[in-house]
Amino acid sequence: AQSVSQHNHHVILSEAASLELGCNYSYGGTVNLFWYVQYPGQHLQLLLKYFSGDPLVKGIKGFEAEFIKSKFSFNLRKPSVQWSDTAEYFCAVNDYNTDKLIFGTGTRLQVFP
Amino acid sequence: NAGVTQTPKFQVLKTGQSMTLQCAQDMNHEYMSWYRQDPGMGLRLIHYSVGAGITDQGEVPNGYNVSRSTTEDFPLRLLSAAPSQTSVYFCASRARKGSDGYTFGSGTRLTVV
Repeated sequence: AQSVSQHNHHVILSEAASLELGCNYSYGGTVNLFWYVQYPGQHLQLLLKYFSGDPLVKGIKGFEAEFIKSKFSFNLRKPSVQWSDTAEYFCAVNDYNTDKLIFGTGTRLQVFP
Repeated sequence: NAGVTQTPKFQVLKTGQSMTLQCAQDMNHEYMSWYRQDPGMGLRLIHYSVGAGITDQGEVPNGYNVSRSTTEDFPLRLLSAAPSQTSVYFCASRARKGSDGYTFGSGTRLTVV
């Protein structure tokens, strides 16, 4: 069965610091990869996605992620975070054959001014 | 275009009661899923559907039933509510395999006492 691991459970940063959130998955077949963000009290919104092609994908609000197939990783990055990036971030992996979308446990990001 | 609509937004049940969480989408999406979100556990897949008349189990299906009689609706039924089912429930939909990521509803916060 596929699974998703997010190693950072809680990250605290100051504004302008760089961000990298780890995501690893276990599944040998074809996958689609996603990062979602959940702002306090809101539902999930798609940040970015990888289906095929260039393994470096850019999303909204200056976020990007790199798919490294050999490491089964899809880490999220942002060069300079803002206070408004305070939220919970979820990595998700979609089994292409069954279309099951499985989430990691999430990383809570707090950015202080 | 309302997207994914979930009702109710909040619900309190007594142990043993039954209820149905409603989910409707107006985007003609084929794929629909139900997730529950619990602190520290991320989102866990309960049931999903790849089209009308087709449903399958996710990671945590016990205690929940679903049906998909139309493309638009995907209700989640709790036949005999238990305190362990206290959670926030999200419904999500997606157009087709290989398309964009899922669109999420705003959630239903369920408390079972």
